[in-house]
Amino acid sequence: SAVISQKPSRDICQRGTSLTIQCQVDSQVTMMFWYRQQPGQSLTLIATANQGSEATYESGFVIDKFPISRPNLTFSTLTVSNMSPEDSSIYLCSHGGGTEAFFGQGTRLTVV
Amino acid sequence: DAKTTQPTSMDCAEGRAANLPCNHSTISGNEYVYWYRQIHSQGPQYIIHGLKNNETNEMASLIITEDRKSSTLILPHATLRDTAVYYCIVGPTGTASKLTFGTGTRLQVTL
Repeated sequence: SAVISQKPSRDICQRGTSLTIQCQVDSQVTMMFWYRQQPGQSLTLIATANQGSEATYESGFVIDKFPISRPNLTFSTLTVSNMSPEDSSIYLCSHGGGTEAFFGQGTRLTVV
Repeated sequence: DAKTTQPTSMDCAEGRAANLPCNHSTISGNEYVYWYRQIHSQGPQYIIHGLKNNETNEMASLIITEDRKSSTLILPHATLRDTAVYYCIVGPTGTASKLTFGTGTRLQVTL
């Protein structure tokens, strides 16, 4: 099982700014996933990131708002752009898909 | 993806078995049943998965009905550390398969 670490663990940001969240896996993985968890809610998939190709976004999420990079098989970033208070959520990365997915600890973002 | 229905919340006394039901009546033939849990302020944790046979591991047992339209996750001896939100998910297998989370069951284990 590949360990997945995520940073920052939390941040407080001003509206209109952007935050980049990093996700590092200690072994090579094909697919990585980014989720958002709004306060008191379940997880919602933002996009799937495959190394060497553009991320695939779920309905309701767009690349301009949540650009994703996947430069190699162990690393990915998610940027939350032009933030508003509605973006205050926990953002999580994962790998492993169906069989046994592993999740980062999450980034708790507060936009003020 | 097939949808799941779970009770919003359940209570269980410590030391007793916790039985968490899940309905997935529209599951298709190649879809598995997965269970994850999320302890407060942590990322979700994999528990168990199965296709049609009952499964058991060191954490839990998974009982799937013969028609595969429902399943039950069993924590045989619940402890306070098992207090979490439990998610039942159905979907294809494989590391590229995305997980679609429902609302889950909030299990509260009490003394």
